[in-house]
Amino acid sequence: EAQVTQNPRYLITVTGKKLTVTCSQNMNHEYMSWYRQDPGLGLRQIYYSMNVEVTDKGDVPEGYKVSRKEKRNFPLILESPSPNQTSLYFCASSRGTDSYNEQFFGPGTRLTVL
Amino acid sequence: RKEVEQDPGPFNVPEGATVAFNCTYSNSASQSFFWYRQDCRKEPKLLMSVYSSGNEDGRFTAQLNRASQYISLLIRDSKLSDSATYLCVVNNPPGGYNKLIFGAGTRLAVHP
Repeated sequence: EAQVTQNPRYLITVTGKKLTVTCSQNMNHEYMSWYRQDPGLGLRQIYYSMNVEVTDKGDVPEGYKVSRKEKRNFPLILESPSPNQTSLYFCASSRGTDSYNEQFFGPGTRLTVL
Repeated sequence: RKEVEQDPGPFNVPEGATVAFNCTYSNSASQSFFWYRQDCRKEPKLLMSVYSSGNEDGRFTAQLNRASQYISLLIRDSKLSDSATYLCVVNNPPGGYNKLIFGAGTRLAVHP
């Protein structure tokens, strides 16, 4: 089944404890992206990647890191999480980087930072 | 001003009703437009793309007005299963890569 998977789905952690949220897609998509969703704000892009070893900042990159060593994986790293990073996170992928490509989303990771 | 603005709702409608949502966008150079559906904090899923000429998919009709920079979604004969949040999505700026700007969503609740 074609899908985007994320782990963990739910995470409660404490300020400053490094964490990684994994994202994997099995559709051989070039483009991957991370978003966070907060009430009243819609989804905001954190980082994106147009291909292996190519990553760039989105609209809200502060406090996050990413890597794209393989085409299928795009982990999101929070080196020192803070309470303002409590949010719902979605990973997404699409076949290409053209604007008409549908983006497929993972099931989401609900993160709480205490 | 937000890049994509939507009325948050909720729109509470009875089954069988026709309901319309509008969305406005700020960047006149935007090129691609979509409606995504999101159920109860689950992942967004593409409902339909919006083309300049307008397009229809069953009970759903999407329209684009470039001059006024708004997009609409019309749902006819509403079903209980249509209850969800509808996200207006605009792809911009021109430059090639697939950046999506999401509206905060309009919530629809269809009741019996």
